[in-house]
Amino acid sequence: DAMVIQNPRYQVTQFGKPVTLSCSQTLNHNVMYWYQQKSSQAPKLLFHYYDKDFNNEADTPDNFQSRRPNTSFCFLDIRSPGLGDAAMYLCATRGEASTDTQYFGPGTRLTVL
Amino acid sequence: RKEVEQDPGPFNVPEGATVAFNCTYSNSASQSFFWYRQDCRKEPKLLMSVYSSGNEDGRFTAQLNRASQYISLLIRDSKLSDSATYLCVVNGAGAGGTSYGKLTFGQGTILTVHP
Repeated sequence: DAMVIQNPRYQVTQFGKPVTLSCSQTLNHNVMYWYQQKSSQAPKLLFHYYDKDFNNEADTPDNFQSRRPNTSFCFLDIRSPGLGDAAMYLCATRGEASTDTQYFGPGTRLTVL
Repeated sequence: RKEVEQDPGPFNVPEGATVAFNCTYSNSASQSFFWYRQDCRKEPKLLMSVYSSGNEDGRFTAQLNRASQYISLLIRDSKLSDSATYLCVVNGAGAGGTSYGKLTFGQGTILTVHP
């Protein structure tokens, strides 16, 4: 029944060691989002895809990259994780209309040692 | 000024109490409005959308005042299970007049309902 799936749920990496987080969806939504949420803070949008069109937020560091090989899957790559990148990473999807509900995955909690 | 501002909280109320959360937003071009609930270490989940006419879902009532750019959430007869962080969320217009459904979250208000 899960509609937005994120793997892994918990990821531990070392400082500077690249890491990839994955998101998949069964909703066939054409919009997918990646958010970063640090402890006691609101989710912050990193970037989103509208179909294959990639849209980066202006303040998203270059250290964060994304790939969307097909409608169902989207990846978040952190090229050189720093201690400040430890956070919950949330994937969300949305249907065609901009006012449609966004559905969030359970998140991946990233720890950087 | 933050794009979406909420009551600082936290709110600590007894079971059965009525509690109200307020939220203001700065972008008058914002298109849609929501309250999300987030439990500790879980993802945000949609509680309800907010419409200008006001809407009610059981014990929860949401109101939107576009003129004042103000959103509210009222919870009646609070339950222990209502304890969570409540996020005011605004779906704004995108850059260049496009609209891609960018959600902007308030910082959240923590509610604790105690016996």
